[in-house]
Amino acid sequence: GQNIDQPTEMTATEGAIVQINCTYQTSGFNGLFWYQQHAGEAPTFLSYNVLDGLEEKGRFSSFLSRSKGYSYLLLKELQMKDSASYLCAVMDSNYQLIWGAGTKLIIKP
Amino acid sequence: EAQVTQNPRYLITVTGKKLTVTCSQNMNHEYMSWYRQDPGLGLRQIYYSMNVEVTDKGDVPEGYKVSRKEKRNFPLILESPSPNQTSLYFCASSPITSSSGANVLTFGAGSRLTVL
Repeated sequence: GQNIDQPTEMTATEGAIVQINCTYQTSGFNGLFWYQQHAGEAPTFLSYNVLDGLEEKGRFSSFLSRSKGYSYLLLKELQMKDSASYLCAVMDSNYQLIWGAGTKLIIKP
Repeated sequence: EAQVTQNPRYLITVTGKKLTVTCSQNMNHEYMSWYRQDPGLGLRQIYYSMNVEVTDKGDVPEGYKVSRKEKRNFPLILESPSPNQTSLYFCASSPITSSSGANVLTFGAGSRLTVL
């Protein structure tokens, strides 16, 4: 079956760096997405990786290794507003998105 | 403003009373989808549509119906709601293809449904 694994919850300190991991097993691969979702709100797009390597976008970076079925989202200079859930999703060979359950990130002062 | 609009945002209803959650997008997107989100389970796809008059079941279609008569609208119908359909529902849309290859989903604000 298809599966996306990510930690349920993580805690980090304001100003620090945190890495949220995502491992996947899917039928084919057509890209990996990261979305941010604040409590009670809609998910919003953060990043997309389809080739191996690191994509940097301001304080956020996303890494992909297709051979290992692994990605991570790196958040630098954490701010209180980064407290949210981070959703990993993989597009399979049928161009359907397979979603992880999300990682709730708690930022402490 | 490019957006996906869902209504109602909040609804409390009773078992068996038919209801419709509307979804409309103004971005001319071909692809539209309905998800439900429950604690600890993440987003689960109910139905999706690749274009007008084309709909397909997602992972959890039981108890739901959809239609795609117009490109912009994709209503979700609960013919006979039951308490296990109490959930947070999201409608989303995206283009089928994009220059970057990333078919980014735009989500509606969500509809919180409670079935008593």
